[in-house]
Amino acid sequence: EDQVTQSPEALRLQEGESSSLNCSYTVSGLRGLFWYRQDPGKGPEFLFTLYSAGEEKEKERLKATLTKKESFLHITAPKPEDSATYLCAVQVRGSTLGRLYFGRGTQLTVWP
Amino acid sequence: GAGVSQSPSNKVTEKGKDVELRCDPISGHTALYWYRQRLGQGLEFLIYFQGNSAPDKSGLPSDRFSAERTGESVSTLTIQRTQQEDSAVYLCASTLFGGVDNEQFFGPGTRLTVL
Repeated sequence: EDQVTQSPEALRLQEGESSSLNCSYTVSGLRGLFWYRQDPGKGPEFLFTLYSAGEEKEKERLKATLTKKESFLHITAPKPEDSATYLCAVQVRGSTLGRLYFGRGTQLTVWP
Repeated sequence: GAGVSQSPSNKVTEKGKDVELRCDPISGHTALYWYRQRLGQGLEFLIYFQGNSAPDKSGLPSDRFSAERTGESVSTLTIQRTQQEDSAVYLCASTLFGGVDNEQFFGPGTRLTVL
């Protein structure tokens, strides 16, 4: 069974304290791995897509990396406005085109 | 607006009533998905539309759930005889395949509360 597991469930950081969020996946064939950000009361907002092991993408203070078993979302010198729930999702080869399988998310709180 | 919109934003209903949730995707997006987000759970896939057809309905939890899409645009998710376990946020997403990132664009969701 395809699975996506995110850790930790919740993370509290002081402003400027860098850290990483983890997403491990067990799928029959990875088509793509996606990171989304979700603010309370809103829909997920797209951040990154990674397709192959070794791939890295950056956006402002965020950097996503991918290995054959997991992905990391590195947050460098976070600010309070980075507080949100970060969702990881995968698309699986042989599955319905575009269907996303989500983890439960990591709730990040950055305090000043 | 350029984004995905959903209505209503909140719906409170009594157990046993029927509800309809609406999704307006981004214009031109041929693929549309419905997901459900229950408290403390990850988003669960419900149904996928390509155009007006639904080639994958496998995520619909029971025959009380149905969905349709018309004009390759608006989609409606209907829940009949609602139960308390149907309480969740229902999210709609649309995409146009072929982009570099292949991302899905999500609406703000409809929060359904069944009393």
